[in-house]
Amino acid sequence: EVQLVESGGGLVQPGGFLRLACAASGFTFSSYPMSWVRQAPGKGLEWVSAIRESGDSTYYADSVKGRFTISRDNSKNTLYLQMNSLRVEDTAVYYCAKHRGEAVADHWGQGTLVTVSS
Amino acid sequence: DIQMTQSPSTLSASVGDRVTITCRASQSIISWLAWYQKKPGKAPKVLIYKASTLESGVPSRFSGSGSGTEFTLTITSLQPDDFATYYCQQYHSYPLAFGGGTQVEIK
Repeated sequence: EVQLVESGGGLVQPGGFLRLACAASGFTFSSYPMSWVRQAPGKGLEWVSAIRESGDSTYYADSVKGRFTISRDNSKNTLYLQMNSLRVEDTAVYYCAKHRGEAVADHWGQGTLVTVSS
Repeated sequence: DIQMTQSPSTLSASVGDRVTITCRASQSIISWLAWYQKKPGKAPKVLIYKASTLESGVPSRFSGSGSGTEFTLTITSLQPDDFATYYCQQYHSYPLAFGGGTQVEIK
């Protein structure tokens, strides 16, 4: 059974940083692209970032480009999101998602809440 | 970048109704479109991919159609479990993009 478990969320001040992690199990992690998707309170889903299977290609939404970095450790079956220069508008539940092969997210974690506030 | 627009943003319906949600892309995405269902406090769930292919395990009352820039999600005979928010997502090219969502609520 595919399982994705996010961790690392919490309360941080504007300008601060956090590193999210997503522990994967139940599938061959190194064979699938992965994404981070977020949902701000009362808002819709927003795609944040994606990474290819080997980690050699990464993609970002304009809203986080230059501030967030996606990475993966295939030896540890773990996906990461390093979030720097956090803003109030980055407050959201962050989900990691496994892609099917094309960029369809067929499995999701339960999410981790990031709150950016002074 | 490709922008996705959904309509309506809210839809009131009754159990047993037929419901149609529209999604428009700012440029052709061929058939690279997925539909997701999202309930409060739960992770999103993929319903349809490649515009019209039903995900395994998803009830057949859900169907998708369209190509190019116009797509629809149809739910025939709405069930109590279907009251949720629905999102389209293009995966033709990066950056990926979701539509703004359609909340299906009980009339």
